[in-house]
Amino acid sequence: DAGITQSPRHKVTETGTPVTLRCHQTENHRYMYWYRQDPGHGLRLIHYSYGVKDTDKGEVSDGYSVSRSKTEDFLLTLESATSSQTSVYFCAISAPKWGRDTEAFFGQGTRLTVV
Amino acid sequence: DQQVKQNSPSLSVQEGRISILNCDYTNSMFDYFLWYKKYPAEGPTFLISISSIKDKNEDGRFTVFLNKSAKHLSLHIVPSQPGDSAVYFCAASGPYAGNMLTFGGGTRLMVKP
Repeated sequence: DAGITQSPRHKVTETGTPVTLRCHQTENHRYMYWYRQDPGHGLRLIHYSYGVKDTDKGEVSDGYSVSRSKTEDFLLTLESATSSQTSVYFCAISAPKWGRDTEAFFGQGTRLTVV
Repeated sequence: DQQVKQNSPSLSVQEGRISILNCDYTNSMFDYFLWYKKYPAEGPTFLISISSIKDKNEDGRFTVFLNKSAKHLSLHIVPSQPGDSAVYFCAASGPYAGNMLTFGGGTRLMVKP
C-alpha cells in the first residue's frame, strides 16, 4: 500500500469554524490531490498540487484553500465550515511516468461533519 | 455537467456469473481510463486501466473494454466472487497539467453467494 496518512480520520465541527485536514505521504510523489466524495457525485477534485508551493484549483474549490510547504504534506483548509462541506475527504498521490498517465493512490479518508 | 457517467447506481449478480459495469464519457480529450474499487470506510484502490490506443486490457478476472467511437467503457469481472462486492468507480484523465482524474458517480456491485 502507498504510504498515505490522513488526519484526522473523523471530525465534527460547528458551522463557521475553520478546519484543517492533513495528508502526509512517504512516497515522495510529485502530485497530491484532495477529493471529496458525496452520494451520486463520485469523487470530485477540490485542489491539487504539482510540487512544493505549486497548487491549483479543481472542480469544487470554492470555500477551500490548500498549502504544500513540503513534498510530503498537503493541507486542506476550510476557512469557515458550512453544512454543505459535510463529506468524506480523500487525499491522493500520483507519480506520472513520462509526464502523465498513471494511477493515483488514495488515503483512507476523513469523514467531516459540520453541524 | 458530468463528463464521466455511470448510469447504474447498483448491480446484483450471482456468485460465479459475469459482472458487467458500464461507464460513459463525453470529453473526447480523455485518453486514459481507470477503474477503482472501494470498500466502506476505506479509500478507493486501483483495479485496472486502459489507454485510448487499446480497446481491451485484461488482468486476471478483470477485463476493461474501451469503445472510443461510442465513448464507452466497461469492466467485466469473471467469475464474480462475494469479495468483489464494493462500489466501483470509473475515472478518466486527459493531456492536462496535474494528471487529474475525473470520476463517475460509482456503481455498487453486490455478488450473492
